[in-house]
Amino acid sequence: EDQVTQSPEALRLQEGESSSLNCSYTVSGLRGLFWYRQDPGKGPEFLFTLYSAGEEKEKERLKATLTKKESFLHITAPKPEDSATYLCAVREGQAGTALIFGKGTTLSVSS
Amino acid sequence: EAGVAQSPRYKIIEKRQSVAFWCNPISGHATLYWYQQILGQGPKLLIQFQNNGVVDDSQLPKDRFSAERLKGVDSTLKIQPAKLEDSAVYLCASSQTLAGPSDTQYFGPGTRLTVL
Repeated sequence: EDQVTQSPEALRLQEGESSSLNCSYTVSGLRGLFWYRQDPGKGPEFLFTLYSAGEEKEKERLKATLTKKESFLHITAPKPEDSATYLCAVREGQAGTALIFGKGTTLSVSS
Repeated sequence: EAGVAQSPRYKIIEKRQSVAFWCNPISGHATLYWYQQILGQGPKLLIQFQNNGVVDDSQLPKDRFSAERLKGVDSTLKIQPAKLEDSAVYLCASSQTLAGPSDTQYFGPGTRLTVL
């Protein structure tokens, strides 16, 4: 059973059409939930870290929220340059354990 | 500040051959990670170093994969012999510390390995 599940697998939006990406997790003792952006042929680029339920963080058109079971990445009025794969990862248990990644959501924004 | 450097960017080898990847982390970062990312999947941890000591290598296929981080700075990951299923992108990441506010992992561009 996957510990981190992202949905949808792929999302196509028109420029300006807001939407949300979902990341649900089943790990116990969450010690951080991370969002990364990955462009084709590049390594993941760090976006946000969330540590506790109710926490929210924003960066430009992106806003990440966290509940006890899932996180959402809200994209407001997206632009074509927001097209990428968005990866969610969690750290569980004792401090120092590695990140467990989901499979990602591939976002395509057309003008 | 320079990011995580990796080389080579691409490598094509025949099965049963050996290959090595190099990583130089962000200056001052004590923790270094190697991940394997198969097409369509998220990265999966292979090995994690704190300075030059191994913290976690539980998912490293030790019969064919090895890694070292001499002097606690740059690191090499080796595969010998390679199998077809090793075709993937190998990502190196580093973080300032093992845990706490400075434990954000920053990734390099990766090495795309194709095994024929």
